[in-house]
Amino acid sequence: EDKVVQSPLSLVVHEGDTVTLNCSYEVTNFRSLLWYKQEKKAPTFLFMLTSSGIEKKSGRLSSILDKKELSSILNITATQTGDSAIYLCAVEAGNFGNEKLTFGTGTRLTIIP
Amino acid sequence: DGGITQSPKYLFRKEGQNVTLSCEQNLNHDAMYWYRQDPGQGLRLIYYSQIVNDFQKGDIAEGYSVSREKKESFPLTVTSAQKNPTAFYLCASRRQTSGLYEQYFGPGTRLTVT
Repeated sequence: EDKVVQSPLSLVVHEGDTVTLNCSYEVTNFRSLLWYKQEKKAPTFLFMLTSSGIEKKSGRLSSILDKKELSSILNITATQTGDSAIYLCAVEAGNFGNEKLTFGTGTRLTIIP
Repeated sequence: DGGITQSPKYLFRKEGQNVTLSCEQNLNHDAMYWYRQDPGQGLRLIYYSQIVNDFQKGDIAEGYSVSREKKESFPLTVTSAQKNPTAFYLCASRRQTSGLYEQYFGPGTRLTVT
């Protein structure tokens, strides 16, 4: 059974701090790793990392995939209160045409003004 | 305006009743998914469908049923056999293309069973 584990489960920091969220996985036929941000309702897509794209950056957010360690980190620098959310890591695995996503439990990030 | 719609937003039911959650998409996506989210559990896959008239069980399919008679629609029925039906249900769809993963989520339905 595919497994995705995120840590920490929750994190509280002050505005302006830098945070690092972790995601590790054990899956069969890894295809990609995705990060989502979930505020109140549906998750919104942040990054997709694959064997051919192991590092992504968008503004203050960046993510790296370590295929050797079967893990990924999501970094947020100069945090703002609008970054408060649950961050979900998901791994796509399976043969082509039969892929599915397995989600981690998420990291709840709270930014204190 | 393209996207995924789920209805209703909030649903209340008495224990022992079946209830059907709607999911419609006009993105022309082939694959559709149903997830359940509980506090501290992340998203768990209930059922998914890669093409019309075909669907597969996910990790927690017991007590649920689905149908995929049309590409645009993937309704989920929560039956009375589901022991803990109260949860937030998310529907998602994606286009079946290699090399590019685009998955879109609907706004979700919060189901409360008492």
